Amino acid sequence: AQTVTQSQPEMSVQEAETVTLSCTYDTSENNYYLFWYKQPPSRQMILVIRQEAYKQQNATENRFSVNFQKAAKSFSLKISDSQLGDTAMYFCAFMKLKEDTGTASKLTFGTGTRLQVTL
Amino acid sequence: DTGVSQDPRHKITKRGQNVTFRCDPISEHNRLYWYRQTLGQGPEFLTYFQNEAQLEKSRLLSDRFSAERPKGSFSTLEIQRTEQGDSAMYLCASTRLGGADYGYTFGSGTRLTVV
Repeated sequence: AQTVTQSQPEMSVQEAETVTLSCTYDTSENNYYLFWYKQPPSRQMILVIRQEAYKQQNATENRFSVNFQKAAKSFSLKISDSQLGDTAMYFCAFMKLKEDTGTASKLTFGTGTRLQVTL
Repeated sequence: DTGVSQDPRHKITKRGQNVTFRCDPISEHNRLYWYRQTLGQGPEFLTYFQNEAQLEKSRLLSDRFSAERPKGSFSTLEIQRTEQGDSAMYLCASTRLGGADYGYTFGSGTRLTVV
């Protein structure tokens, strides 16, 4: 079974600054995806960024980038130029690909990091 | 495309009552997932469907829980004889068969409170 650990329950960052959220995972799988999801207060979960395990290049999406260290099983999220709208719970999630079809399976989530962006 | 819709948004019920939630996925998504999220925790997988077939159920899904997806369209999640421990946010998500490349689209959830 896979586990995902987010060791920072809460973090705070000032507007325009950079913040890094940590995530580690444990798996014996070789073929998987990692995700960061954002859940604003009372709103639905939104995909922020995804990383395919076989790709060495770190994924980037505008102000969001990851530091994927496969050997260390680490997958941190960096948010640059933080904005007030980035205030939310951030969940790291793992998904293995099915062996027979290579398609998606269920997500395993961490416990989340609550990020507060302040003025 | 109106996204994933869940109904109701909130449900308060007395212990022992039955409740049913509905999820309408994105129309071209053939996979539909149910997750449960308790306060301060990440979502936990409950079950998923590919079209109308229920392909996997978590051990979290006790005998009091049942899910259906008739005709591979909307899905319902029923909880019989609710207990206070069932209080949680129930999330629905859908994806295309490729899934990983497209990511999941989540609904806004149904918050259940059992009193």
